[in-house]
Amino acid sequence: EAGVTQFPSHSVIEKGQTVTLRCDPISGHDNLYWYRRVMGKEIKFLLHFVKESKQDESGMPNNRFLAERTGGTYSTLKVQPAELEDSGVYFCASSQGLGGAGSYNEQFFGPGTRLTVL
Amino acid sequence: AQKITQTQPGMFVQEKEAVTLDCTYDTSDPSYGLFWYKQPSSGEMIFLIYQGSYDQQNATEGRYSLNFQKARKSANLVISASQLGDSAMYFCAMREFSGSARQLTFGSGTQLTVLP
Repeated sequence: EAGVTQFPSHSVIEKGQTVTLRCDPISGHDNLYWYRRVMGKEIKFLLHFVKESKQDESGMPNNRFLAERTGGTYSTLKVQPAELEDSGVYFCASSQGLGGAGSYNEQFFGPGTRLTVL
Repeated sequence: AQKITQTQPGMFVQEKEAVTLDCTYDTSDPSYGLFWYKQPSSGEMIFLIYQGSYDQQNATEGRYSLNFQKARKSANLVISASQLGDSAMYFCAMREFSGSARQLTFGSGTQLTVLP
């Protein structure tokens, strides 16, 4: 079974440009999460999709970030326009269920996209 | 609000020795889960072990065990018989289960180096 894949693995762009990150979850996983780790800091939650719907987008930093998951399969995260502080590693994760006290429904992570904004 | 604290930015351990990575957490939700992930230099996040707040026994997975002390709100990871391949960043994380939110909250991580 293929794991979570992310594209590109690295992206270097200039401030003000647009970048689109893609995540392909594990097939059959309804739940898709985006996280990011800014250099030296904690990994922070950005948003959570259940199928094509945004379940929770409380972690999105501002309106320069737009996430979509059309058709409930892959997801894209667009940053427009990119700023210097957006540099970091963006992780995508997927899980089959939501999890609860009795079944934790592990989140499987992709390898991340390292974004560098110059 | 949920919070995870990892107070050891870096740790060193001799090969074949055991090492404990500390993690404390804070939550008001009685139903939660604690996770440990390993991130080697290649970048991927690898799930290691899980402990539920209602679990009576400490979780174990091979050489990994979780020292869960609920009253002290700590969930330390113990790696026995360290191997060179254990050198990586280790993250402690938590999910609350009572509400609708299901995201993980992460600590800042501990960089473990296993010495030959």
